[in-house]
Amino acid sequence: ETGVTQTPRHLVMGMTNKKSLKCEQHLGHNAMYWYKQSAKKPLELMFVYSLEERVENNSVPSRFSPECPNSSHLFLHLHTLQPEDSALYLCASSQTGSTGDEQYFGPGTRLTVT
Amino acid sequence: KNQVEQSPQSLIILEGKNCTLQCNYTVSPFSNLRWYKQDTGRGPVSLTIMTFSENTKSNGRYTATLDADTKQSSLHITASQLSDSASYICVVTEYYGNNRLAFGKGNQVVVIP
Repeated sequence: ETGVTQTPRHLVMGMTNKKSLKCEQHLGHNAMYWYKQSAKKPLELMFVYSLEERVENNSVPSRFSPECPNSSHLFLHLHTLQPEDSALYLCASSQTGSTGDEQYFGPGTRLTVT
Repeated sequence: KNQVEQSPQSLIILEGKNCTLQCNYTVSPFSNLRWYKQDTGRGPVSLTIMTFSENTKSNGRYTATLDADTKQSSLHITASQLSDSASYICVVTEYYGNNRLAFGKGNQVVVIP
């Protein structure tokens, strides 16, 4: 595997379910990001981790819970989601969290909440 | 109001033709401006990057321009191919704070034979 991988690629879940999205980067980077991409809207930054510490939480509802156990892995735990949470969830990584570092994106998880 | 505005929202062009996509931004100061290509069902991939002092950058058939005075950028696609069908996203990196990016909504380009 190379670059940034995400699993699953597609997920359908009910509002009472609990699920997790997984992201893994094979680039040796130290910063990882979660984004939400909804139709006809710009990407929205959700969380930023640098050296496994959360450095940014962009007013995301508590039903989204990130976890970064090491610099290569990032999870997004989901529970009690709403239909408006249906979107493409993108993970990205960069060498550091410094301004200007290119962010490399994974293919995304297409989430549908029913 | 979004800090990065792109036009046109969508565009259909014939294979082999050229097209130009526009990006206007209000982010100031900024570190760099990138154009990303996002194929359907995929994550965005960087095409070009320009700092505030650069005016143009090419990547094969893609040429990006930047006018930092008017806060405008464009992406020109030459001799379009079917594989150019994608969303093209203008992304401006804010100068301060945790590598924060300001995204446009994207230009949806469809190339038809």
